[in-house]
Amino acid sequence: KNQVEQSPQSLIILEGKNCTLQCNYTVSPFSNLRWYKQDTGRGPVSLTIMTFSENTKSNGRYTATLDADTKQSSLHITASQLSDSASYICVVSFLRGGNMLTFGGGTRLMVKP
Amino acid sequence: GAGVSQSPSNKVTEKGKDVELRCDPISGHTALYWYRQSLGQGLEFLIYFQGNSAPDKSGLPSDRFSAERTGGSVSTLTIQRTQQEDSAVYLCASSHKAGGPGELFFGEGSRLTVL
Repeated sequence: KNQVEQSPQSLIILEGKNCTLQCNYTVSPFSNLRWYKQDTGRGPVSLTIMTFSENTKSNGRYTATLDADTKQSSLHITASQLSDSASYICVVSFLRGGNMLTFGGGTRLMVKP
Repeated sequence: GAGVSQSPSNKVTEKGKDVELRCDPISGHTALYWYRQSLGQGLEFLIYFQGNSAPDKSGLPSDRFSAERTGGSVSTLTIQRTQQEDSAVYLCASSHKAGGPGELFFGEGSRLTVL
C-alpha cells in the first residue's frame, strides 16, 4: 500500500531559527515528490518538486532533499519568519493510471516571535 | 480567471439538506481533483477527473457524494442528505497533465458546516 508519513506532526520554533521537516514514503514506482505549503484557511501551494535523480533543490529559504534509496525527503527552512507558520504537506506521485498522488498528513509549523 | 475558483467559500446548511459545491479549474488543465479536509487534519482524496476518461471515484466516502465535470471544465461536487460529519473544507485542484502528475493548483476551498 502506498503511504506517506510526515514528522513531526507539529513543531514550534522561534523566529530566526532553522528547522527540518521529514517525509518518508513507500510509494512505488516513484515519479516525483512535492512539498506544499498551506497557510491557515487557504489552499496548498507548491514549494518544490523533486524527481528521482535530484538530491537537493532550493527555493529561497526552503531546501528540499531526496534520498530515493531510503525513500526519505526533508524540507529545511532557514532563518524562519513568522510567515512560515503553516502546514507543510509532502505529496508523492507514482507511475500508475488514475489518481497518482499520495498525501502525507502534514507538519504544522508555528514560528513564534 | 488566473487561478482555481471555488464557490461558495462558505456554506452553512441543516442536516438532511443537499449541497452543491462548484469548482472552476485553470483553463486548459485536464486533471481535476476534489479533496476534503477536516479541521486540523490532512487532505482526504475524494474524486479525480482526467480529460474524457472515467473518473476515479475511489475516495468518495458514501453514495451520498457525487461529482460531475461538464465539458472537461467546471466541476460540481454534490452531497445529498448532509450529515454533521460532512462538515469540512472541500478543496478543488487542477493540473496540466503532460506525461505525468503535474503540480496541483488549489482553490481556496469551500467550508461546509452542517448544523
